[in-house]
Amino acid sequence: GQNIDQPTEMTATEGAIVQINCTYQTSGFNGLFWYQQHAGEAPTFLSYNVLDGLEEKGRFSSFLSRSKGYSYLLLKELQMKDSASYLCAPVGAGNMLTFGGGTRLMVKP
Amino acid sequence: SAVISQKPSRDICQRGTSLTIQCQVDSQVTMMFWYRQQPGQSLTLIATANQGSEATYESGFVIDKFPISRPNLTFSTLTVSNMSPEDSSIYLCSVFSQETQYFGPGTRLLVL
Repeated sequence: GQNIDQPTEMTATEGAIVQINCTYQTSGFNGLFWYQQHAGEAPTFLSYNVLDGLEEKGRFSSFLSRSKGYSYLLLKELQMKDSASYLCAPVGAGNMLTFGGGTRLMVKP
Repeated sequence: SAVISQKPSRDICQRGTSLTIQCQVDSQVTMMFWYRQQPGQSLTLIATANQGSEATYESGFVIDKFPISRPNLTFSTLTVSNMSPEDSSIYLCSVFSQETQYFGPGTRLLVL
């Protein structure tokens, strides 16, 4: 079966750095997605990791350790518009995504 | 990237009725997915719709309740049948394209 664990809520200050952790157990593994979802909107793609290591894309970076079943999303220079839910979604057998419960990030001035 | 549109964007329906949600993609894709997101919760996969074959349903979802059509590689429909208030949710169409999964804007359904 699939099991995904990420914090329910986090709070950070504008301009700061925040790291959102995700641990997972899946049947098969074909990479891991991170999505951003603002309230009332559809998820939007942030990153995809299939190999171990850090992938950097502007203010957002994502890290993967397959042996540990662990990933994190790093957000730098936080802006108020980064307040959203962040969804960790490992890809299991058959290219099926399973979504974690999401981490609701609140950025305060 | 893939651009996905859904119709309707939102609807309010009466208990016992059915609603068909349409999903259109701007490119041909093999697999289309239907998700549900209930208020305050994460996304749950309902089924995978493959062109030319029956949809594959996840545990807890059945074809009689959520019939799916996939007539071609750019279009799919999901019907929510015999609705009850528990079906109030956002229904999202999704596709896998170029190693990324994209989501439609969602259909917000309220069942009274």
